[in-house]
Amino acid sequence: TQLLEQSPQFLSIQEGENLTVYCNSSSVFSSLQWYRQEPGEGPVLLVTVVTGGEVKKLKRLTFQFGDARKDSSLHITAAQPGDTGLYLCAGNGGKLIFGQGTELSVKP
Amino acid sequence: DAGITQSPRHKVTETGTPVTLRCHQTENHRYMYWYRQDPGHGLRLIHYSYGVKDTDKGEVSDGYSVSRSKTEDFLLTLESATSSQTSVYFCAMGGQAWDGYTFGSGTRLTVV
Repeated sequence: TQLLEQSPQFLSIQEGENLTVYCNSSSVFSSLQWYRQEPGEGPVLLVTVVTGGEVKKLKRLTFQFGDARKDSSLHITAAQPGDTGLYLCAGNGGKLIFGQGTELSVKP
Repeated sequence: DAGITQSPRHKVTETGTPVTLRCHQTENHRYMYWYRQDPGHGLRLIHYSYGVKDTDKGEVSDGYSVSRSKTEDFLLTLESATSSQTSVYFCAMGGQAWDGYTFGSGTRLTVV
């Protein structure tokens, strides 16, 4: 069974701080995705990483896929209250396997 | 236009009753999925469909059945609802997994 472990599960920070969320597995995935979910809504795709070692940037968000394609990280620079939400990583194992999520709260 | 809609958005039902949740898409996607979301568990796959009348089980399929008689509609049925099925249910559509999925807004189901 493929599993994805996210850490931390909860993160509460002040506006302007930097943070990193980790997504780890013992399994290799052909690709990995990050989603963001707001209360009362479904997850929305942020990015897909495919190649081991790949780095993608989306404004203040930086996503990295591990060299062995078993792990990934999401780094947010200078977090803002609008970044508040649930961040989910998902690995492509034929179907998407989701991590348990990281609940981020950014306080003004 | 959302492209994928779920109904109802909220439902309260009694233990032992059957419940059907509906997912409707307008994008003509072949693949559709039902997930449930619970605190600390992320999203867990219940059932999925890869075409009309073609469905398969996910990791938490016990107590659930699905039907897909048309490309645009994917129904999830709780045959006899239990309190452990209290959850938020999400439907998703997509092509291949690497393309990413588009999710509906969810149905919050409470079984009392």
